[in-house]
Parts: sequence; C-alpha cells; structure tokens
Amino acid sequence: DAMVIQNPRYQVTQFGKPVTLSCSQTLNHNVMYWYQQKSSQAPKLLFHYYDKDFNNEADTPDNFQSRRPNTSFCFLDIRSPGLGDAAMYLCATSREPQQPQHFGDGTRLSIL
Amino acid sequence: EDQVTQSPEALRLQEGESSSLNCSYTVSGLRGLFWYRQDPGKGPEFLFTLYSAGEEKEKERLKATLTKKESFLHITAPKPEDSATYLCAVNTGTASKLTFGTGTRLQVTL
Repeated sequence: DAMVIQNPRYQVTQFGKPVTLSCSQTLNHNVMYWYQQKSSQAPKLLFHYYDKDFNNEADTPDNFQSRRPNTSFCFLDIRSPGLGDAAMYLCATSREPQQPQHFGDGTRLSIL
Repeated sequence: EDQVTQSPEALRLQEGESSSLNCSYTVSGLRGLFWYRQDPGKGPEFLFTLYSAGEEKEKERLKATLTKKESFLHITAPKPEDSATYLCAVNTGTASKLTFGTGTRLQVTL
C-alpha cells in the first residue's frame, strides 16, 4: 500500500511554463519534504514543512515555491522552469524531525 | 559544512560474494545516520537508522554498523535482487535536513 504518493510520475512542461507537482501521504506524519535529485547525484533538500511551518533551504531558488493546505497534501510549484530544473522531484515524510523519512516514487520532470 | 562521502561509487559482485559499502562523514553533532536503498526510477526506501558509535542493525542479508567517523553496510551472500543504489544520509543539528552521499551503485550477477 503506497503511503507517500506523488502525481504525476512523469511531467513534461515547456520552458518558462509554470508547473505543479503534488504529494499526498496516508501516514499522518507531521513533516513533509521536497527534494530535487539529478541523474547520479544525491537528493538535495529544497524545503520542508513541520506542520504548517515552512522552512526554505538557503540555496533553493526563488523559482521554487511550496504549499501545504492540510496534513495530507503538499505541492511543489515551479513558477518559470528552466532547462536546469529537469530532474526527479522526491517527496518525503517523517513523523517528527530527525526520524526516518519515507519517500514517494518521485515525479520525473522534463523541460522542452 | 556537513559532508558525506560514499565509496566505492560502483561495485559489481557475483551472487554469494560478500562485501561492504562505506559511508564516511564529517559533521558537527550527528543526530542519526540513515541507510536507504534506491531502485532505478523509484524513491529511496528506508533501511536502517543508527544513532551512536558501536550500534549495529541487521535486516536479512544486510548489516549496518557505525563508528564516530564512518558507517559500513555489509552485504552477506548477496543475490541479484540486492542490485540497487545504496544511499547514506546524516541528520545533524536541530534541523530536519538530511545530507545525502551520492550513493554506491551495486550490481549482483549470477
């Protein structure tokens, strides 16, 4: 049973055209995370929510935004995607900070 | 700045050939070290958490150990289904941030 679900699995968008990726969880975890993973690289944390508190990493581009309307859902908005934003985007959850994170299967984003 | 280095980058084993993967870290205040398995096109799958030097965890053919500077993932008598990328990550300080290594790509052949 999938516990962290990401939609869509594959997303193609045009250069500069806004795109939204979604993540839902059935674990009722307090913390939700968004990571960017490029080919053969380590996942890189973009931001996370602890409940409704938003925490942005210092080096996350302003082009990336996030929303968490309720405990179960979290969205990643890319306002003006560039070619360098093509990557796998991973959503993860944990019950509390510093506890194991559980990942979805990701959304692979392609930019035309 | 926290750093995590994994070696080797890639490892090819024959079925039944035991080996170890290394994760060395330089951090200020380790709050936990995590091992994940990642299959192609999938998200990382949680394997183990280690919190203090000397701690060991086991699951089937995998055993993770931790010292003050590094962690090892020992694979005993691997099978082809153990083929995957194994990621190590550390949690430090008060933040929720995991700092990942770039992984070891393991291939187990018949």
